[in-house]
Amino acid sequence: ETVMTQSPATLSVSPGERVTLSCRASQSVSRNLAWYQQKSGQAPRLLIYIASTRATGVPARFSGSGSGTDFTLTISSLQSEDFAVYYCKQYHTWPLTFGGGTKVEIK
Amino acid sequence: QVQLVQSGAEVKKPGASVKVSCKASGHTFNDYYIHWVRQAPGQGLEWVGWIRPKNGGTFYAQNFQGRVTMTRDASISTDYMELWGLRSDDTAVYYCARAGGVIIEVCDHWGQGTLVTVSS
Repeated sequence: ETVMTQSPATLSVSPGERVTLSCRASQSVSRNLAWYQQKSGQAPRLLIYIASTRATGVPARFSGSGSGTDFTLTISSLQSEDFAVYYCKQYHTWPLTFGGGTKVEIK
Repeated sequence: QVQLVQSGAEVKKPGASVKVSCKASGHTFNDYYIHWVRQAPGQGLEWVGWIRPKNGGTFYAQNFQGRVTMTRDASISTDYMELWGLRSDDTAVYYCARAGGVIIEVCDHWGQGTLVTVSS
């Protein structure tokens, strides 16, 4: 099983700041990585797939990068609606596995 | 628009089984895989398995093999996940999610979730 590790677990930021979230895989997943956003009490929402492709309707302030074992989700200027938990997920090997999540909270 | 509407919350005793439904609308039912993902209270996401469109083939995470069955009824555009031998650590919100528009492992629409509580 491919273990996905996200860091940090919690990030305290102010609106307007640039945010960088990290995701590391225990073995190469090529670019078979997705990012999801989950707000409190809601289902996850797809943000990014193939490491850097934005899903339909996702604002341009969200960008993804990386390949192999190291990946990054960047929010260029954090908006109030972006406070949430972010999960990475690899789909290179079975079973599909998620990282533990990074909570982005208001500073 | 695409919608996945799940059945309501369930409370079950240890050892019992639960069957959660997921009714799709707004897309062609047989064009998409349905994944099931669960989330224990305050915890992260765990992939349970998927069911293929058309032939209904399934693939389950090893942690659930022998305890889960996924089925679908195309006549009513509904998928089902049944989990038996419930334990307290099966208490979680269970989500269905659609995949296959671009990549069959990437879920672009999700149900609202079904809380399954296992308690004696």
